Amino acid sequence: GAVVSQHPSWVICKSGTSVKIECRSLDFQATTMFWYRQFPKQSLMLMATSNEGSKATYEQGVEKDKFLINHASLTLSTLTVTSAHPEDSSFYICSARDAGTGEGGYTFGSGTRLTVV
Amino acid sequence: TQLLEQSPQFLSIQEGENLTVYCNSSSVFSSLQWYRQEPGEGPVLLVTVVTGGEVKKLKRLTFQFGDARKDSSLHITAAQPGDTGLYLCAGARAAGNKLTFGGGTRVLVKP
Repeated sequence: GAVVSQHPSWVICKSGTSVKIECRSLDFQATTMFWYRQFPKQSLMLMATSNEGSKATYEQGVEKDKFLINHASLTLSTLTVTSAHPEDSSFYICSARDAGTGEGGYTFGSGTRLTVV
Repeated sequence: TQLLEQSPQFLSIQEGENLTVYCNSSSVFSSLQWYRQEPGEGPVLLVTVVTGGEVKKLKRLTFQFGDARKDSSLHITAAQPGDTGLYLCAGARAAGNKLTFGGGTRVLVKP
């Protein structure tokens, strides 16, 4: 089945620095990828939709200048958390959809635990 | 307010008991997915339902999609400790559109 690889699985960074998270579709092409964040004991909240070759679409309340998304190829999207602060600490998860499927086809990465100290 | 209301939020049962998780909305979805998530991992797809009234079975798990494609349920028969986890429903308004997640149901099956 479809596999989405997310890297790193966890990262600790100092306040004020930037962190990049990668999301790769390993065996399919994904024109669209999605980025979520999840706080403890809560569900996934969509942050943005990443579109290959064009600008990402951000959900209301998500700062596009803080969470930079780049989707330069059909198999790779990156999320950069800029000038990270402790409140950005969270579990970030990406999802990619195999455009070759009909309904469904959303596969999730294994997530990245970000801790900002 | 969540577009998808999931209930209950938490369920604790003994091994061997049955349980049902509900996912309700006032909106119509073209597809609805059910996922199970372990701590520190991404959600893993259990099933996708697309047809109103559809019933899908996956071993001891039974999934239903409402006739109007606005609600869904997950029923687990004879639950086992291995069924413990966070169950999430997620709907798409059209194929390829972003998923909207329910609030999740945390299931604990005690041996």
